[in-house]
Amino acid sequence: DAKTTQPNSMESNEEEPVHLPCNHSTISGTDYIHWYRQLPSQGPEYVIHGLTSNVNNRMASLAIAEDRKSSTLILHRATLRDAAVYYCIDIIQGAQKLVFGQGTRLTINP
Amino acid sequence: DGGITQSPKYLFRKEGQNVTLSCEQNLNHDAMYWYRQDPGQGLRLIYYSQIVNDFQKGDIAEGYSVSREKKESFPLTVTSAQKNPTAFYLCASSMSAGDRAEQYFGPGTRLTVT
Repeated sequence: DAKTTQPNSMESNEEEPVHLPCNHSTISGTDYIHWYRQLPSQGPEYVIHGLTSNVNNRMASLAIAEDRKSSTLILHRATLRDAAVYYCIDIIQGAQKLVFGQGTRLTINP
Repeated sequence: DGGITQSPKYLFRKEGQNVTLSCEQNLNHDAMYWYRQDPGQGLRLIYYSQIVNDFQKGDIAEGYSVSREKKESFPLTVTSAQKNPTAFYLCASSMSAGDRAEQYFGPGTRLTVT
């Protein structure tokens, strides 16, 4: 299984941007990077995914480094509802499953 | 409303009893998954199914069994052979099993065995 490394926790303030880093140094050229988040006592929720170029959707942006060994999930304007555990997942091409690490626990201060 | 339903939200059982957790989806997805989550940990894959009447073991299948007789249903049985069954169980589905398919998760069932 492909391994990712994320900080255990991060803290930010409401209405400020948040940059959540992820290292995936063993990534191969065809692996996708997926991000999910999990609110307390709920199932995970898909956030975004990408392969090479930066990606945007209504929830967040994903910036992937040129060498693809790291990526950053960007929440442009954090709200209290963004407080969750964020998981970065490196999915091997053809893999049938997601492998969840410990994730980053994001705290948003009012 | 399309989505994944898991029931019940909380389940209590005595040690030595088998228990079946329900998972239903109306998203017309081919692939379905069962994960287990322990406190403070990430999710671990128990079983997954890419298509009706077919399923594969995940990383921690021992002590669990599944069936996939209908596309929309993927029940999980926690047997008495599972040594530490108390956990939060999550069901998910995706259009297909693969690296580009977004997975949709249910609300989870919290199982407590005493």
